[in-house]
Formats: sequence, C-alpha cells, structure tokens
Amino acid sequence: EAGVAQSPRYKIIEKRQSVAFWCNPISGHATLYWYQQILGQGPKLLIQFQNNGVVDDSQLPKDRFSAERLKGVDSTLKIQPAKLEDSAVYLCASSNRGSRAEGYTFGSGTRLTVV
Amino acid sequence: SQKIEQNSEALNIQEGKTATLTCNYTNYSPAYLQWYRQDPGRGPVFLLLIRENEKEKRKERLKVTFDTTLKQSLFHITASQPADSATYLCALDGNAGNMLTFGGGTRLMVKP
Repeated sequence: EAGVAQSPRYKIIEKRQSVAFWCNPISGHATLYWYQQILGQGPKLLIQFQNNGVVDDSQLPKDRFSAERLKGVDSTLKIQPAKLEDSAVYLCASSNRGSRAEGYTFGSGTRLTVV
Repeated sequence: SQKIEQNSEALNIQEGKTATLTCNYTNYSPAYLQWYRQDPGRGPVFLLLIRENEKEKRKERLKVTFDTTLKQSLFHITASQPADSATYLCALDGNAGNMLTFGGGTRLMVKP
C-alpha cells in the first residue's frame, strides 16, 4: 500500500511570511495527525482529525497555525505569519481507527526553515 | 508535570551485542506504549506496541518490556547490526484521549 505522502519536502521562508503543507494519508485511514519535530526532540502533536472533524487541537498555536481536512482525506497545515521558532520538521501521520492500540504511519515530513 | 524521558546521549555498541534503550515516564498511566525507529530525514516507523497488562513483547530481534510499577519500558535489540543504527522513540497514550506523546528519542550507533 502507498504510504503517507507529504509535500513539499523542504521549504525556506522569511519570518512573517505564510506557508502551507499538504498531506495525503493512507487510503481508508480515518485518523490524521500533524506533528511538529524540532531538531533533537521528539515529535509534538499539533492537531488530530477523525475523518473531517477535529478531535484535539489543544497544542496548536491558533493565532498563527490553522489546519483543515476537507472531505476527510487530504489535509493542509498553514502557518501565517511564520516565526523563527517555527523552524522544524512537520510530520503527518495516519492510523486506521485512531485507536491507542495501533501504530501510526508517518510521512517523511516537510522541513521548514524560517530565516 | 508529565514527562517521558529517554537518554539523550547516543548509545554506542559493537556489532553483535545487545542494545538496551530505556524509556521512563512520570505522571502518566498509559494503557499502551509504542516504540518507533527514525532515520535521518525520515518520519518515525512503528516497531512494536505493548499493552499495560503485558510484561514483554517480542518481534524477531526486538524485545520490549513494560513495567507499570517502575513506570519504565526497556527496548532490546539482540545481535545488533550497523543497519540498526537510528534514533529510537518511545511513545505512550496520554491520560486523556487517544493521542500519542513521544519521548525525545535515543540515538543508537552500532559499530562494525
């Protein structure tokens, strides 16, 4: 089966600019997650979708970050305006049912550098 | 506060030896604990899941233990190979909801 697809792979922007990341999860996976991974740290959950509804966005900086999952398939994560501390890898993951008893499948991520 | 701690220092071992990585947690009562492998420039890859009522889980050369009294999981790779060199992340479900929270990972280097 195809894996989780993410694009772009790399992005360099200046602070205060906006940027968007795209994710296509594994076909049929109901649950989609966006994680932020700062260099040298573990991934930190930003938002979880179940189909096209938000399950948890408590760690999403909503003043600058937004995410949507239209039609319960693809998802986009947007940052506007970007800050230097947003430099990180943004990982998308999906799982079949969103159960704690199953592993997640991650994409390769988008590496964002804010200068 | 809630913490998931993994040794931030790299673990260097000789090929053929057993690698043991540690994951400690505080202020969590996870029902499940997972281990992932992450290579540079790639996303984490799911390896194993262990439930709170399981003491040990094995998969090929991998073994995971889960001690809810000590609040610790150990991850073992037997007969280690240079190809096992990567960062290994533990993750557990939080006290509320189904979301996985990850530790900071431990880098393993297996020397030939």
